[in-house]
Amino acid sequence: ELKVEQNPLFLSMQEGKNYTIYCNYSTTSDRLYWYRQDPGKSLESLFVLLSNGAVKQEGRLMASLDTKARLSTLHITAAVHDLSATYFCAVDRGSTLGRLYFGRGTQLTVWP
Amino acid sequence: EPEVTQTPSHQVTQMGQEVILHCVPISNHLYFYWYRQILGQKVEFLVSFYNNEISEKSEIFDDQFSVERPDGSNFTLKIRSTKLEDSAMYFCASSADAAGNTIYFGEGSWLTVV
Repeated sequence: ELKVEQNPLFLSMQEGKNYTIYCNYSTTSDRLYWYRQDPGKSLESLFVLLSNGAVKQEGRLMASLDTKARLSTLHITAAVHDLSATYFCAVDRGSTLGRLYFGRGTQLTVWP
Repeated sequence: EPEVTQTPSHQVTQMGQEVILHCVPISNHLYFYWYRQILGQKVEFLVSFYNNEISEKSEIFDDQFSVERPDGSNFTLKIRSTKLEDSAMYFCASSADAAGNTIYFGEGSWLTVV
């Protein structure tokens, strides 16, 4: 089974700081997704990365994909409190349509 | 922005009872999914549905589970005889196609089996 490992699982950071969340996966996949989840809420799509070297940015978040290393990163720049949430990465095999394998999530807390 | 709608938001049921969770996917989407998330755990795939049939199902999706698209808009998940371990948040999702487009998730139905 495709395994997806995220680290760290818990991240507490001060406002204004930068940090990176890592997502490793165990088998070839060309599609990687990042989602945000607030407590008790649904999964909000942040990024869909479709090819090696893909980089996408939205506000203070930037995601990248290295398919050769089977690694994606979610970089947080100058964190603010509103970014506090759980962030999930997910991959699919490419051959299975829409079956996503999720990581355990990174619970991010940003404090003043 | 269009969204996936799920009902009920929360249901409590007795063990052994049947439960049906309802979803209205985004209207022009063709691929539909159910996922679940047990409290504190990761999101797990249950089943995908395309062209009025199951495309793929996970090992979790046993004979107690079924899905149906009874009309052009609804997509339901039925659990025939609930067990305590079925307690989870169930997410419906949909996508326009499977070629790496965004998969949109609903708000979830929180199922508690007592």
